Amino acid sequence: AQKVTQAQTEISVVEKEDVTLDCVYETRDTTYYLFWYKQPPSGELVFLIRRNSFDEQNEISGRYSWNFQKSTSSFNFTITASQVVDSAVYFCALSVGGGGADGLTFGKGTHLIIQP
Amino acid sequence: DTAVSQTPKYLVTQMGNDKSIKCEQNLGHDTMYWYKQDSKKFLKIMFSYNNKELIINETVPNRFSPKSPDKAHLNLHINSLELGDSAVYFCASSQWGGEDTDTQYFGPGTRLTVL
Repeated sequence: AQKVTQAQTEISVVEKEDVTLDCVYETRDTTYYLFWYKQPPSGELVFLIRRNSFDEQNEISGRYSWNFQKSTSSFNFTITASQVVDSAVYFCALSVGGGGADGLTFGKGTHLIIQP
Repeated sequence: DTAVSQTPKYLVTQMGNDKSIKCEQNLGHDTMYWYKQDSKKFLKIMFSYNNKELIINETVPNRFSPKSPDKAHLNLHINSLELGDSAVYFCASSQWGGEDTDTQYFGPGTRLTVL
């Protein structure tokens, strides 16, 4: 069975601070995908990034960056120079390969509050 | 253009009623899903359909029945609604193969309130 742990239930920082959201996953499969989704107060789920298990390259997209380390089974998400619009619940998720119809296993989410 | 759409956005109903939530995707994906998000924001897979065939059916009460008339639609019918069914239900879709393989795109959610 798969498991995703987001140990930080809530993080509150002041605008312009950098913040890292932690994600630790468990799976016995060698082929899997990791995701981050954002759920703003309006409620929709917005896809941010997908990483497959064979690609450990870090990724940067504007103020967002992701650090994938198979050695520690972690897929952490950093927001640089945070802004109030970054306030949301962020979910890390995992799917295992092999057919494309597997559901996502979600972590419990981290509620990020950016204070002006 | 909306990629994954759900109707209705809000649904308020009495215990014991039967209701349906509709989902449509225009992404050309071959797989669709239903997720339930509870009051603590926890998201859990309920069903997945691949090319109109049921693939995953998690431990969901029989009162919940998905129906996929074609690859672009996956509806959720709920019989004899109970208070505990109150939640936000999300539809999602994905495509196997290609650069975007297995990435699930979500609809806006349907907030179901059972009174």
